[in-house]
Amino acid sequence: GIQVEQSPPDLILQEGANSTLRCNFSDSVNNLQWFHQNPWGQLINLFYIPSGTKQNGRLSATTVATERYSLLYISSSQTTDSGVYFCAVDTQDNAGNMLTFGGGTRLMVKP
Amino acid sequence: DTGVSQNPRHKITKRGQNVTFRCDPISEHNRLYWYRQTLGQGPEFLTYFQNEAQLEKSRLLSDRFSAERPKGSFSTLEIQRTEQGDSAMYLCASSLRWRDGNTIYFGEGSWLTVV
Repeated sequence: GIQVEQSPPDLILQEGANSTLRCNFSDSVNNLQWFHQNPWGQLINLFYIPSGTKQNGRLSATTVATERYSLLYISSSQTTDSGVYFCAVDTQDNAGNMLTFGGGTRLMVKP
Repeated sequence: DTGVSQNPRHKITKRGQNVTFRCDPISEHNRLYWYRQTLGQGPEFLTYFQNEAQLEKSRLLSDRFSAERPKGSFSTLEIQRTEQGDSAMYLCASSLRWRDGNTIYFGEGSWLTVV
């Protein structure tokens, strides 16, 4: 099956700093989503981005499908950004969400 | 929209007992998913429904696991003869095909501890 690798595995930032999280995948995908899992376990969808670039406030994401990677940018980080960020992909073309998740990037933002 | 609702949120059970989790998806969503997440890992896909039809099952879903979605509304996930290895968070999610960029929305999860 498809392999999804995220880097870095752990990241500690000072509040206000910027960061870039990377997701590499081993095959062509029809679906790529970024999620934030807060310390209470809730998974929040950040972006549906199988290709191209999107921005939402301080967050933006870019997927270069031909080169099989996606980037999540966090600017002016806040303590509430702490948690685990997951990239997840699906290779099916049936609009399903049988997602394969990466191992996550664990982010801690210090005040 | 209310979000995806799961209950119970926490369940502690003895090995060998059966447990059942319920999921109520976002009301207009026709697709419903079950995932499992163990500590320190990303979620793993288990199964999904489109309306009442179960379309895919992962090989992770052993014979002790059964999922249903009667009438295409809520869903239940039953685990029979629980084992310690079943301890995990069981996540339900839903989506509306071709709407909202095929975005999937997760519930808060049901934590299972098998002792």
